[in-house]
Amino acid sequence: GAVVSQHPSWVICKSGTSVKIECRSLDFQATTMFWYRQFPKQSLMLMATSNEGSKATYEQGVEKDKFLINHASLTLSTLTVTSAHPEDSSFYICSARLPQGGGGNIQYFGAGTRLSVL
Amino acid sequence: AQTVTQSQPEMSVQEAETVTLSCTYDTSESDYYLFWYKQPPSRQMILVIRQEAYKQQNATENRFSVNFQKAAKSFSLKISDSQLGDAAMYFCAVKNNNDMRFGAGTRLTVKP
Repeated sequence: GAVVSQHPSWVICKSGTSVKIECRSLDFQATTMFWYRQFPKQSLMLMATSNEGSKATYEQGVEKDKFLINHASLTLSTLTVTSAHPEDSSFYICSARLPQGGGGNIQYFGAGTRLSVL
Repeated sequence: AQTVTQSQPEMSVQEAETVTLSCTYDTSESDYYLFWYKQPPSRQMILVIRQEAYKQQNATENRFSVNFQKAAKSFSLKISDSQLGDAAMYFCAVKNNNDMRFGAGTRLTVKP
Protein backbone atom coordinates (compact mmCIF):
# COMPACT_ATOMS: atom_id res chain seq x y z
CA GLY A 1 0.00 0.00 0.00
CA ALA A 2 0.87 3.68 -0.24
CA VAL A 3 3.00 5.25 2.49
CA VAL A 4 2.17 8.35 4.47
CA SER A 5 4.85 9.78 6.72
CA GLN A 6 3.98 12.00 9.65
CA HIS A 7 6.48 13.98 11.72
CA PRO A 8 7.11 14.42 14.57
CA SER A 9 5.69 11.38 16.31
CA TRP A 10 5.67 13.10 19.69
CA VAL A 11 6.09 16.72 20.65
CA ILE A 12 6.02 18.46 24.01
CA CYS A 13 5.67 22.22 24.06
CA LYS A 14 4.99 25.04 26.45
CA SER A 15 1.63 26.71 26.58
CA GLY A 16 1.45 29.63 24.17
CA THR A 17 3.89 28.28 21.62
CA SER A 18 3.07 27.00 18.14
CA VAL A 19 3.70 23.52 16.87
CA LYS A 20 3.92 22.35 13.26
CA ILE A 21 3.11 18.80 12.20
CA GLU A 22 4.10 17.55 8.76
CA CYS A 23 2.34 14.94 6.66
CA ARG A 24 3.98 13.59 3.52
CA SER A 25 2.81 11.13 0.91
CA LEU A 26 6.02 9.28 0.04
CA ASP A 27 5.17 7.33 -3.08
CA PHE A 28 2.15 9.05 -4.54
CA GLN A 29 0.76 12.50 -5.14
CA ALA A 30 -2.05 13.47 -2.84
CA THR A 31 -4.23 16.33 -3.97
CA THR A 32 -6.30 15.80 -0.86
CA MET A 33 -5.16 15.12 2.66
CA PHE A 34 -7.12 14.90 5.87
CA TRP A 35 -6.38 15.84 9.45
CA TYR A 36 -7.96 13.96 12.35
CA ARG A 37 -7.85 14.34 16.08
CA GLN A 38 -8.18 11.40 18.44
CA PHE A 39 -8.76 11.68 22.17
CA PRO A 40 -7.76 8.76 24.41
CA LYS A 41 -9.92 5.70 23.86
CA GLN A 42 -12.09 7.56 21.38
CA SER A 43 -12.62 7.53 17.66
CA LEU A 44 -11.03 9.70 15.00
CA MET A 45 -12.71 13.04 14.47
CA LEU A 46 -12.17 14.79 11.16
CA MET A 47 -10.82 18.28 11.69
CA ALA A 48 -10.28 19.47 8.15
CA THR A 49 -9.75 18.47 4.57
CA SER A 50 -6.59 19.85 3.03
CA ASN A 51 -6.61 20.59 -0.70
CA GLU A 52 -3.43 21.22 -2.63
CA GLY A 53 -3.24 24.80 -3.81
CA SER A 54 -6.38 25.98 -2.10
CA LYS A 55 -7.79 26.67 1.33
CA ALA A 56 -8.59 23.84 3.66
CA THR A 57 -12.15 22.92 4.46
CA TYR A 58 -12.74 22.83 8.21
CA GLU A 59 -15.35 20.80 10.05
CA GLN A 60 -17.89 22.59 12.15
CA GLY A 61 -16.48 23.59 15.51
CA VAL A 62 -12.84 23.51 14.44
CA GLU A 63 -11.13 26.89 14.73
CA LYS A 64 -9.34 27.63 11.48
CA ASP A 65 -7.20 30.31 13.09
CA LYS A 66 -6.15 27.86 15.76
CA PHE A 67 -5.35 24.97 13.46
CA LEU A 68 -3.62 26.33 10.38
CA ILE A 69 -3.38 23.97 7.44
CA ASN A 70 -1.11 24.47 4.47
CA HIS A 71 -1.07 22.08 1.53
CA ALA A 72 1.62 23.70 -0.59
CA SER A 73 2.61 20.72 -2.69
CA LEU A 74 1.16 17.44 -3.91
CA THR A 75 3.11 15.52 -1.29
CA LEU A 76 3.07 17.73 1.77
CA SER A 77 0.44 19.10 4.10
CA THR A 78 1.19 20.79 7.41
CA LEU A 79 -0.92 21.41 10.47
CA THR A 80 0.17 24.20 12.77
CA VAL A 81 -1.37 24.40 16.21
CA THR A 82 -1.05 28.07 17.08
CA SER A 83 -0.73 29.34 20.64
CA ALA A 84 -1.16 25.84 21.97
CA HIS A 85 -2.86 25.28 25.30
CA PRO A 86 -3.18 22.17 27.46
CA GLU A 87 -6.64 21.45 26.04
CA ASP A 88 -5.01 21.06 22.60
CA SER A 89 -3.10 18.06 23.90
CA SER A 90 -4.22 15.13 21.80
CA PHE A 91 -3.25 12.63 19.15
CA TYR A 92 -3.30 14.10 15.64
CA ILE A 93 -3.41 11.84 12.60
CA CYS A 94 -3.08 12.77 8.96
CA SER A 95 -4.36 10.78 6.05
CA ALA A 96 -3.99 10.94 2.29
CA ARG A 97 -6.10 9.61 -0.50
CA LEU A 98 -4.85 8.26 -3.77
CA PRO A 99 -5.65 10.47 -6.76
CA GLN A 100 -9.20 10.35 -8.03
CA GLY A 101 -9.98 7.07 -9.69
CA GLY A 102 -7.13 5.20 -8.08
CA GLY A 103 -7.34 2.81 -5.16
CA GLY A 104 -11.05 2.82 -4.60
CA ASN A 105 -11.17 5.74 -2.23
CA ILE A 106 -8.74 4.18 0.21
CA GLN A 107 -7.20 6.56 2.71
CA TYR A 108 -3.73 5.84 4.00
CA PHE A 109 -2.78 7.10 7.42
CA GLY A 110 0.31 8.52 9.01
CA ALA A 111 1.53 7.09 12.29
CA GLY A 112 0.15 10.06 14.21
CA THR A 113 1.60 12.80 16.39
CA ARG A 114 1.13 12.94 20.11
CA LEU A 115 1.01 16.55 21.23
CA SER A 116 1.50 17.35 24.90
CA VAL A 117 1.12 21.00 25.91
CA LEU A 118 2.48 21.86 29.33
CA ALA B 1 -24.25 13.46 6.98
CA GLN B 2 -22.97 9.97 7.48
CA THR B 3 -22.95 8.17 10.81
CA VAL B 4 -21.42 4.90 11.94
CA THR B 5 -22.41 2.87 14.97
CA GLN B 6 -20.32 0.16 16.55
CA SER B 7 -22.38 -1.28 19.37
CA GLN B 8 -19.65 -3.43 20.90
CA PRO B 9 -17.10 -1.38 22.84
CA GLU B 10 -15.14 -4.51 23.68
CA MET B 11 -14.96 -8.04 22.34
CA SER B 12 -12.89 -11.02 23.32
CA VAL B 13 -11.97 -14.13 21.36
CA GLN B 14 -9.92 -17.21 22.01
CA GLU B 15 -6.90 -17.71 19.81
CA ALA B 16 -7.77 -19.70 16.67
CA GLU B 17 -11.47 -19.03 17.14
CA THR B 18 -13.75 -16.80 15.06
CA VAL B 19 -15.17 -13.44 16.10
CA THR B 20 -17.59 -11.05 14.43
CA LEU B 21 -17.53 -7.30 14.99
CA SER B 22 -20.74 -5.39 14.29
CA CYS B 23 -21.18 -2.13 12.43
CA THR B 24 -24.22 -0.27 11.20
CA TYR B 25 -24.19 2.97 9.31
CA ASP B 26 -26.43 5.60 7.90
CA THR B 27 -25.92 7.58 4.73
CA SER B 28 -28.12 9.31 2.24
CA GLU B 29 -25.65 8.67 -0.56
CA SER B 30 -26.08 5.89 -3.09
CA ASP B 31 -22.40 5.71 -3.95
CA TYR B 32 -20.12 5.07 -1.00
CA TYR B 33 -17.40 2.85 0.36
CA LEU B 34 -17.10 0.94 3.60
CA PHE B 35 -13.91 0.16 5.46
CA TRP B 36 -12.58 -1.62 8.48
CA TYR B 37 -9.39 -0.20 9.94
CA LYS B 38 -7.29 -1.68 12.70
CA GLN B 39 -5.43 0.44 15.24
CA PRO B 40 -2.92 -1.55 17.32
CA PRO B 41 -1.20 -0.07 20.39
CA SER B 42 1.24 1.73 18.09
CA ARG B 43 -1.82 3.76 17.01
CA GLN B 44 -0.98 3.35 13.32
CA MET B 45 -4.21 2.99 11.39
CA ILE B 46 -4.06 -0.08 9.15
CA LEU B 47 -6.59 -0.89 6.47
CA VAL B 48 -8.09 -4.32 7.04
CA ILE B 49 -10.70 -4.58 4.32
CA ARG B 50 -12.89 -2.43 2.11
CA GLN B 51 -16.20 -2.84 0.30
CA GLU B 52 -17.71 -0.87 -2.51
CA ALA B 53 -21.38 -0.32 -1.83
CA TYR B 54 -22.35 -1.09 -5.41
CA LYS B 55 -20.87 -4.59 -5.17
CA GLN B 56 -23.11 -7.28 -3.78
CA GLN B 57 -20.33 -9.77 -3.23
CA ASN B 58 -18.84 -9.63 0.24
CA ALA B 59 -15.18 -8.64 0.36
CA THR B 60 -12.62 -11.11 1.67
CA GLU B 61 -8.98 -10.67 2.62
CA ASN B 62 -7.39 -13.86 3.87
CA ARG B 63 -8.79 -14.42 7.40
CA PHE B 64 -10.94 -11.30 7.25
CA SER B 65 -14.32 -11.17 5.60
CA VAL B 66 -17.35 -8.94 5.76
CA ASN B 67 -21.07 -9.48 5.79
CA PHE B 68 -22.44 -6.52 3.87
CA GLN B 69 -26.20 -6.08 4.09
CA LYS B 70 -26.92 -2.95 2.11
CA ALA B 71 -30.64 -2.76 2.77
CA ALA B 72 -30.05 -3.09 6.49
CA LYS B 73 -27.01 -0.79 6.31
CA SER B 74 -24.95 -3.33 8.15
CA PHE B 75 -21.27 -4.10 7.62
CA SER B 76 -19.88 -6.66 10.04
CA LEU B 77 -16.32 -7.95 10.10
CA LYS B 78 -15.53 -11.61 10.67
CA ILE B 79 -12.07 -12.62 11.78
CA SER B 80 -11.35 -16.31 11.39
CA ASP B 81 -8.56 -18.25 13.09
CA SER B 82 -7.87 -15.30 15.38
CA GLN B 83 -4.24 -14.60 16.15
CA LEU B 84 -2.62 -12.73 19.02
CA GLY B 85 -1.57 -10.04 16.57
CA ASP B 86 -5.20 -9.32 15.79
CA ALA B 87 -5.60 -7.66 19.18
CA ALA B 88 -6.34 -3.99 18.51
CA MET B 89 -9.02 -1.34 18.20
CA TYR B 90 -11.15 -1.89 15.13
CA PHE B 91 -12.90 1.03 13.48
CA CYS B 92 -15.65 0.77 10.92
CA ALA B 93 -15.88 3.68 8.47
CA VAL B 94 -18.12 4.87 5.66
CA LYS B 95 -16.81 7.18 2.96
CA ASN B 96 -18.43 9.22 0.23
CA ASN B 97 -16.16 11.46 -1.82
CA ASN B 98 -13.96 13.21 0.76
CA ASP B 99 -16.19 12.55 3.73
CA MET B 100 -15.05 9.56 5.81
CA ARG B 101 -16.72 8.96 9.16
CA PHE B 102 -15.63 6.48 11.78
CA GLY B 103 -17.48 4.52 14.39
CA ALA B 104 -16.50 4.64 18.05
CA GLY B 105 -14.44 1.50 17.72
CA THR B 106 -14.38 -2.01 19.19
CA ARG B 107 -11.47 -3.15 21.31
CA LEU B 108 -10.65 -6.74 20.46
CA THR B 109 -8.77 -8.89 22.94
CA VAL B 110 -7.33 -12.22 21.84
CA LYS B 111 -6.82 -14.78 24.59
CA PRO B 112 -4.02 -17.32 24.20
